[in-house]
Parts: sequence; structure tokens; C-alpha cells
Amino acid sequence: GAVVSQHPSRVICKSGTSVKIECRSLDFQATTMFWYRQFPKQSLMLMATSNEGSKATYEQGVEKDKFLINHASLTLSTLTVTSAHPEDSSFYICSATSSSWVYNEQFFGPGTRLTVL
Amino acid sequence: QQQVKQSPQSLIVQKGGISIINCAYENTAFDYFPWYQQFPGKGPALLIAIRPDVSEKKEGRFTISFNKSAKQFSLHIMDSQPGDSATYFCAASIGGGNTPLVFGKGTRLSVIA
Repeated sequence: GAVVSQHPSRVICKSGTSVKIECRSLDFQATTMFWYRQFPKQSLMLMATSNEGSKATYEQGVEKDKFLINHASLTLSTLTVTSAHPEDSSFYICSATSSSWVYNEQFFGPGTRLTVL
Repeated sequence: QQQVKQSPQSLIVQKGGISIINCAYENTAFDYFPWYQQFPGKGPALLIAIRPDVSEKKEGRFTISFNKSAKQFSLHIMDSQPGDSATYFCAASIGGGNTPLVFGKGTRLSVIA
């Protein structure tokens, strides 16, 4: 399958700081990327959908000013958690797909563990 | 409203046995049904996927059975191994992966020796 990477794999930050998470498609051009949040022992919760060169579409209840998403190229999307607070601590996972594929499968990155102190 | 219902929540299977996880969906517009495997602290990995034009798809020890009229699909893991112990998520979407996947709540599988 296609390879998606995320950086960093884990980050610890102080409350009030901003954190940037990168999601990269390593061997394909990702026309669409998705950002998810996952709490322990729970399913994945979609935060937003981003298409290359367009503004991200956020799910209801997700603050777009707090979770800034940029999909500036066909291989990179970034999620910036602004003014992070302890309640933002979670596992953040991106996925990517390509419109050139027949079945548009989604491949996930390894995730980023964010801990806000 | 949960659009994809997954059961059971947890499953314990003896090594060599068959693991069966079921999912039911409500939206008849769904036309892409993948299964993902997730190990603790890792991202989900695409295991196998099916579209409604076939009733079954097999890849190695993993088989998806699909029942369009019942709006149900299931994952069968044959000859289950301890290394299969993970959380499995079914999902569904319209038009393939370009649209957001709707996930089930997951099944935690434990394969014991």
C-alpha cells in the first residue's frame, strides 16, 4: 500500500503554546487528506477534510481557528493546534488518498501523540 | 446517529480459530467498505476492502462477506494468530476514499494460545 508519514510521532508542550503536526504522502500525490482525532479505546473522529490548494472543510464542533489545517502541496498537509490546552491532548492521525486511484483507498499515517501539560 | 454499527465490542478467540466481526450500515448510498487493523499507538492499516458489486473478497486469511440486501458486511479471520490481536474498524464511504470514511466503533480482538 501507499505510505503516509507523520512528524513528530509524539510531542509534549506547555499549555498555551502552538504545535504543528506534519502529514506527508511519501510515494504518491495526495489530492485529499483527512485529519482525525482518537481518544483512548475509541474510534476515529474526523476533524477535517483538506484538498490540495483549497481551504479545509471542518466537521461540526471542530474549531477551525484552533485547529489550523494547510494542504499546500500534493504531498504535505499540516495541522497546527493553536494555544493548546490539556483537553487537546489526544492521538492525532492523518490519512491520504489520491483521485487518480481507481478505488480511492485511504492510507493512514502512524499518528502523533500530543500531550499538553 | 451512528451510521455504521460494529459488533462485538471485544472478542476473544483461540489460536487457530475463526474471528468474525460484523458491521451494519444504514446509508444505502455507501459503496466502499474497508476494514482497518490498528495496533496500540499506531495508525490504522488498510486490511481489505470491498465494493457492493461482489458478495465476497478474500485476501490470505482475511475474507469480507457482503450482504447488500441486509446492509451488512463482516470480516472473517481464518486460522487466527496471536499476532492478529489488535483493534479492527469497519468503515464505509460514498464514492471511495475521496470522501470521509464513516467508522464503526471498533472491535478489540484478542487471540489466545
